[in-house]
Amino acid sequence: NAGVTQTPKFQVLKTGQSMTLQCAQDMNHNSMYWYRQDPGMGLRLIYYSASEGTTDKGEVPNGYNVSRLNKREFSLRLESAAPSQTSVYFCASSEGSPSLYNSPLHFGNGTRLTVT
Amino acid sequence: GNSVTQMEGPVTLSEEAFLTINCTYTATGYPSLFWYVQYPGEGLQLLLKATKADDKGSNKGFEATYRKETTSFHLEKGSVQVSDSAVYFCASRRNTDKLIFGTGTRLQVFP
Repeated sequence: NAGVTQTPKFQVLKTGQSMTLQCAQDMNHNSMYWYRQDPGMGLRLIYYSASEGTTDKGEVPNGYNVSRLNKREFSLRLESAAPSQTSVYFCASSEGSPSLYNSPLHFGNGTRLTVT
Repeated sequence: GNSVTQMEGPVTLSEEAFLTINCTYTATGYPSLFWYVQYPGEGLQLLLKATKADDKGSNKGFEATYRKETTSFHLEKGSVQVSDSAVYFCASRRNTDKLIFGTGTRLQVFP
């Protein structure tokens, strides 16, 4: 019963390097999300995907790109990492569409990214 | 706009003490309200929810009541355990808007 799986768990990058954070869910959920968690700021939505083949910007999309590869997988790419992107990144999924207001989110265990 | 404010932590309690973590929301209309919990090294998990005024959400001994008149959704537990140590997030979602999280409150329970 894996739920939402994120890789890697930890990553250190130098400024300007690129990387892709991977996320997969095995619950057959329609919607997937990427959040970042920073001290004192809670969770902020970066991008989300209501269904395979569609993606939309959240609160803080600048500096990121996403791909909804299929129903299971939703990746987050940093093309040129900056120290301001040091954060903990969480992937989440939900059964309904993002507009289904009481559909709970299921979260992965996070990726801790440090950009030096 | 839609926003959530919750009390700053950390909240430090002894085992079996009474817990309250305050949460207030601002939104036009009547959002659905949630409490999520994050245990160390893990992602967030839904703890409880309430979708309309006067609803009470409950789970694992935790309770929260949707109070329209005070726009609040305070989390309570009568007797906390060391295993309740975690970060608690209040969240709000109105109609087709996205889920909005508070900044989180860290709870530390000592034996």
